[in-house]
Amino acid sequence: GENVEQHPSTLSVQEGDSAVIKCTYSDSASNYFPWYKQELGKRPQLIIDIRSNVGEKKDQRIAVTLNKTAKHFSLHITETQPEDSAVYFCAASPGYGNKLVFGAGTILRVKS
Amino acid sequence: DSGVTQTPKHLITATGQRVTLRCSPRSGDLSVYWYQQSLDQGLQFLIHYYNGEERAKGNILERFSAQQFPDLHSELNLSSLELGDSALYFCASSVANSWETQYFGPGTRLLVL
Repeated sequence: GENVEQHPSTLSVQEGDSAVIKCTYSDSASNYFPWYKQELGKRPQLIIDIRSNVGEKKDQRIAVTLNKTAKHFSLHITETQPEDSAVYFCAASPGYGNKLVFGAGTILRVKS
Repeated sequence: DSGVTQTPKHLITATGQRVTLRCSPRSGDLSVYWYQQSLDQGLQFLIHYYNGEERAKGNILERFSAQQFPDLHSELNLSSLELGDSALYFCASSVANSWETQYFGPGTRLLVL
C-alpha cells in the first residue's frame, strides 16, 4: 500500500524566513496530495492541495510543488509569521481507492 | 466552527469496555470520514462513508466498526478497548465523494485506563 514519508520532523525558522517541508510517496497511482495544518489542541485544517496533473500551486504565502517522476511533493511557506507555528501533515490519496495516507507530521516553530 | 459536531468531547473508560463516538456532518454533506490521532501512530485514516455506504477502509482494527445512518450522522464503535486505543478521534465531512472539501470536527478525546 501507499507509504508517505515526511521530513523534517521538526523545523525552526526565524520570523520572515521561508520554511520547506518535504514528503515522498510510494504509490505512483496517487493523484491527490493535500497539506493540513494543526495548531495545538485544534483540529486539522486543509491549507492547500494539489492534483497530479499540476506541478505547482500557490495561495498567498503558501505553495506546493509536485514531482511525479521522483514521487515527492513539498510545502513552501514564505515570509513566515509566528501564527504559522503548528504541526503540518502531508497526505496522499492512492488512485486505486479512497484511502488517505498521512505523513508523520512536521512541527514548525517560527521564532520572533 | 466547521459545522461538524462530535460527541462526546471527552471519554474516559476502562480496558475491555465498548464505546460509541458520534459525528454529525455539516448540513448537506454526504461523506463522513473517521480518523485516529495518537502520539505514536500519528494521524491515521480509519474509514469513509458516503450516503450510508462504506467507501474506503484505512487502518481500522477489527475491534472497531462504523456506520452512517439515513440522517447521515455516523457512529464509530470501539470495542474490547486497549490502552493503546487512547487517542483523539476526528470525524470529517464533505459534500462529495472527494477529499478536497473535507471539514474536520473538534474531535473526541478517548482515554482508556
